[in-house]
Amino acid sequence: SAVISQKPSRDICQRGTSLTIQCQVDSQVTMMFWYRQQPGQSLTLIATANQGSEATYESGFVIDKFPISRPNLTFSTLTVSNLSPEDSSIYLCSVRTGQNYGYTFGSGTRLTVV
Amino acid sequence: TQLLEQSPQFLSIQEGENLTVYCNSSSVFSSLQWYRQEPGEGPVLLVTVVTGGEVKKLKRLTFQFGDARKDSSLHITAAQPGDTGLYLCGTSYGKLTFGQGTILTVHP
Repeated sequence: SAVISQKPSRDICQRGTSLTIQCQVDSQVTMMFWYRQQPGQSLTLIATANQGSEATYESGFVIDKFPISRPNLTFSTLTVSNLSPEDSSIYLCSVRTGQNYGYTFGSGTRLTVV
Repeated sequence: TQLLEQSPQFLSIQEGENLTVYCNSSSVFSSLQWYRQEPGEGPVLLVTVVTGGEVKKLKRLTFQFGDARKDSSLHITAAQPGDTGLYLCGTSYGKLTFGQGTILTVHP
């Protein structure tokens, strides 16, 4: 299955600033997915990133707040902009492995906004 | 409205006990997945069930897909502290969505 390198693993940011999270996959994939997770809770899908087109956002998430780049088939970034304490969360990227319908996840980025 | 209803939300048990986690829906699924997540890591796929009535075993874990493909269960026999984690059921219609998750704590 695919291997995903996600960074940073954690960061502490000042409110009003932005954080960009990177995910690198060791193989080419059509779609990459970005999730948000409160500690101890389930994952909520933010958006789906396709190479060469704009990301598709889920209800409650907008491009101005969560701009996504997908410059090639192995890389994507998620920016969380204009940070507020409510953005403190874990952010994860994911790709479909193609095996057993399952998905592979990065190890996550724990963001704390102060 | 949650597509997948997962229960219980929390389980705290002693080593050696058995437990079952449930994942239910009013929708029919072509497949359903179970994941386990440990702190500081992303979820890791445990199993995918595809056929109604299917039973899959992974060591002490038994996964079942309902006959109507609307529900699934995860049963752990003789739980061990290493089983501690967040268990998630998920389904994919081109994108993976999860149930609420079950936090399992197994005490030595």
